[in-house]
Amino acid sequence: DARVTQTPRHKVTEMGQEVTMRCQPILGHNTVFWYRQTMMQGLELLAYFRNRAPLDDSGMPKDRFSAEMPDATLATLKIQPSEPRDSAVYFCASGRDSGGYNEQFFGPGTRLTVL
Amino acid sequence: AQKVTQAQTEISVVEKEDVTLDCVYETRDTTYYLFWYKQPPSGELVFLIRRNSFDEQNEISGRYSWNFQKSTSSFNFTITASQVVDSAVYFCALSYGSSNTGKLIFGQGTTLQVKP
Repeated sequence: DARVTQTPRHKVTEMGQEVTMRCQPILGHNTVFWYRQTMMQGLELLAYFRNRAPLDDSGMPKDRFSAEMPDATLATLKIQPSEPRDSAVYFCASGRDSGGYNEQFFGPGTRLTVL
Repeated sequence: AQKVTQAQTEISVVEKEDVTLDCVYETRDTTYYLFWYKQPPSGELVFLIRRNSFDEQNEISGRYSWNFQKSTSSFNFTITASQVVDSAVYFCALSYGSSNTGKLIFGQGTTLQVKP
């Protein structure tokens, strides 16, 4: 049963520290999405990749956030420096974009707390 | 602009009652997809259903049914004979555009509490 995996599942850090979240998409999927969930904003798209190329990161604060796909099996979301307002659950999702419908499968999320 | 509105923030029902979760969407695109996801207390997002904009047929899956009406831009979700295990946050979402990149715009979610 293929699943999207995310590490760590929980992260507590202090303001100013660097945070790196990792995602392993489902093998064979060529699109990766990063979403953030907060009580105030709900679920919002931060960035997404197709074939490892970033296509849209308009939802991401550029000054402190960065998203990359070093290879097809790993996507990373980095926050440097972290701030308390970054506390949220970060979800990664992957899908296969074959020109038609592209269903997304979500990982379990990384719960980030910035003190 | 693309938008999904779930006007019901919280709903509380007693087990075995039927409950309908409302979803209204906005898009100028003629090709789009609508989704429902369930987020139980454990936090993961569970896919429930997808409909495309060209298929207005209602769908039933066990105790779950969905009513898609383009005329009112609504995609409502009904749970029949609710159970305690149905307690969760339910999200309606929209994916739009002819290229269908798969980007999802979520509603704010409806928290459903089913009491025994």
